[in-house]
Amino acid sequence: GEDVEQSLFLSVREGDSSVINCTYTDSSSTYLYWYKQEPGAGLQLLTYIFSNMDMKQDQRLTVLLNKKDKHLSLRIADTQTGDSAIYFCAEKYSGAGSYQLTFGKGTKLSVIP
Amino acid sequence: ETGVTQTPRHLVMGMTNKKSLKCEQHLGHNAMYWYKQSAKKPLELMFVYNFKEQTENNSVPSRFSPECPNSSHLFLHLHTLQPEDSALYLCASSQDLSRNTEAFFGQGTRLTVV
Repeated sequence: GEDVEQSLFLSVREGDSSVINCTYTDSSSTYLYWYKQEPGAGLQLLTYIFSNMDMKQDQRLTVLLNKKDKHLSLRIADTQTGDSAIYFCAEKYSGAGSYQLTFGKGTKLSVIP
Repeated sequence: ETGVTQTPRHLVMGMTNKKSLKCEQHLGHNAMYWYKQSAKKPLELMFVYNFKEQTENNSVPSRFSPECPNSSHLFLHLHTLQPEDSALYLCASSQDLSRNTEAFFGQGTRLTVV
């Protein structure tokens, strides 16, 4: 079945860049997403990339997609303490006539002041 | 604020209780979802509704019973739950089930079964 893998933890110093990595298995993935979950909250869509793109930039966020290696990354420039959260990678795949999301376990980003 | 509201935010229930979780969206979306988020596990898709019709049931035990009376509301009825059902239950909605639609999530209901 579909599988999305992420490392569970990442610590960075405030002001540095954070890079969160994700690998996926479904070659028919159409869209890939990054969601952010702050403590006690639901998931907030941060950004997404269509599978025919290599890169997407949105302010401090840069998404890189290597479709050949099925590797997705999220770079957060000038990381702030408010960026501390769990970041979920998700892929949208085709199943049973509709498109569904499969999520990774999430990467907990800790920002050290 | 994503436009998807879940109530209650927290729920503690005994194994013999019956309770319901509620999800509401006024985004004009036609698809709604229930996900289960357990510690150290990926989000698990439980149910999908599209235009009030259930389109997915990912082998969820019958002690979880969804209800979708209209496109704006989704319920999850709970009865005779087990302690391992304790988790964060997330509701989401999207315009439809096509590939280029985004899912918007509620803040979740933190369920504890004692």
